[in-house]
Amino acid sequence: QQQVKQSPQSLIVQKGGISIINCAYENTAFDYFPWYQQFPGKGPALLIAIRPDVSEKKEGRFTISFNKSAKQFSLHIMDSQPGDSATYFCAARKGGSYIPTFGRGTSLIVHP
Amino acid sequence: SQTIHQWPATLVQPVGSPLSLECTVEGTSNPNLYWYRQAAGRGLQLLFYSVGIGQISSEVPQNLSASRPQDRQFILSSKKLLLSDSGFYLCAWSVQVYGYTFGSGTRLTVV
Repeated sequence: QQQVKQSPQSLIVQKGGISIINCAYENTAFDYFPWYQQFPGKGPALLIAIRPDVSEKKEGRFTISFNKSAKQFSLHIMDSQPGDSATYFCAARKGGSYIPTFGRGTSLIVHP
Repeated sequence: SQTIHQWPATLVQPVGSPLSLECTVEGTSNPNLYWYRQAAGRGLQLLFYSVGIGQISSEVPQNLSASRPQDRQFILSSKKLLLSDSGFYLCAWSVQVYGYTFGSGTRLTVV
């Protein structure tokens, strides 16, 4: 059973556009929601994370929007650049657990 | 600062041969350590995790095993590789509740 559903599986955006990746979860015990960015041939790296007590977190061009009632969260990449082309994973972690549940990933391609 | 080392970066092994991938963490004590496999479809599959020396939990029954002989060393092994063992293997560590850091990965191709 997939506890974190991520969509779309792949995304193509023009340079300067907005990239939006969505995730939905079922377990209300999740209390930490990180996003990871993975470039080809590299390990994933933490990009940005949010806790459910806030509805939005912004770091530069990257914003997480969180809807607790809908059990959904999304990553918005403003002014997308070719260097943002990577695979993005959302994740959710239960309080007291060290192991996050990952979404299946979204392959983002930003065309110049 | 904490760093994680994983090697080799790439490996081509024949079917039936043994495997040993090593991961070490520097700059921290008593980390939780993890092995993930990422198949061509991108998803991250947790294989093993360890909360201390000699303590290994297996998430998926398979042809692989893990060991933690030292506090900051985590080893992934196989006695006989299968074609289906090919993939991108990632080591990760965490100490604080919200920290989770991946290594650079090993690309394993079984031929």
